[in-house]
Amino acid sequence: NAGVTQTPKFRVLKTGQSMTLLCAQDMNHEYMYWYRQDPGMGLRLIHYSVGEGTTAKGEVPDGYNVSRLKKQNFLLGLESAAPSQTSVYFCASSYSLAGIQETQYFGPGTRLLVL
Amino acid sequence: AQTVTQSQPEMSVQEAETVTLSCTYDTSENNYYLFWYKQPPSRQMILVIRQEAYKQQNATENRFSVNFQKAAKSFSLKISDSQLGDTAMYFCALGRTGTASKLTFGTGTRLQVTL
Repeated sequence: NAGVTQTPKFRVLKTGQSMTLLCAQDMNHEYMYWYRQDPGMGLRLIHYSVGEGTTAKGEVPDGYNVSRLKKQNFLLGLESAAPSQTSVYFCASSYSLAGIQETQYFGPGTRLLVL
Repeated sequence: AQTVTQSQPEMSVQEAETVTLSCTYDTSENNYYLFWYKQPPSRQMILVIRQEAYKQQNATENRFSVNFQKAAKSFSLKISDSQLGDTAMYFCALGRTGTASKLTFGTGTRLQVTL
């Protein structure tokens, strides 16, 4: 199993450009998440999904959109990139069991630089 | 709102020695889970250990163990027989039970293991 994979690994954007980050998991997990990691701060949740076709906002959703058209994929979109979105983005996935906090498994991260 | 605080930005330990990383948290939930994740220079987030709040027994995983003090809302990580490969950022995280396993992360502790 590849686990959780992310593409691309690194990207440079100009302010105002758009892009999509792709997350894929082969563990048949119901839940998927997008986090961002900034220097001096812990990971912060951007958006998450509890199943195919459903998404919800996390702690820092502004400027991002997401889609979960297939169970194994979770896309993070930036419609008009801003320098404040320079960060490392992590995708994670986990099982769903009612009342149980299942361990989240993380992808290797995508480093995004917005000039 | 949940918060996680790691008050030690950096720590250093000699190889084969023992080191303890601190974490305190705040939550209004009675049922929750706590995690320690390791992030080596590769940036991959790796689960080190997890603790269910309803369990009184402290979790252990080989050289890693926790001291979970529920009343004090404290969750420290002890690394015994430290190895050079333990050099990494360590993040404490808090998760609620429920339909989505959203995690709240601390700001991390950078651990350097020296010869």
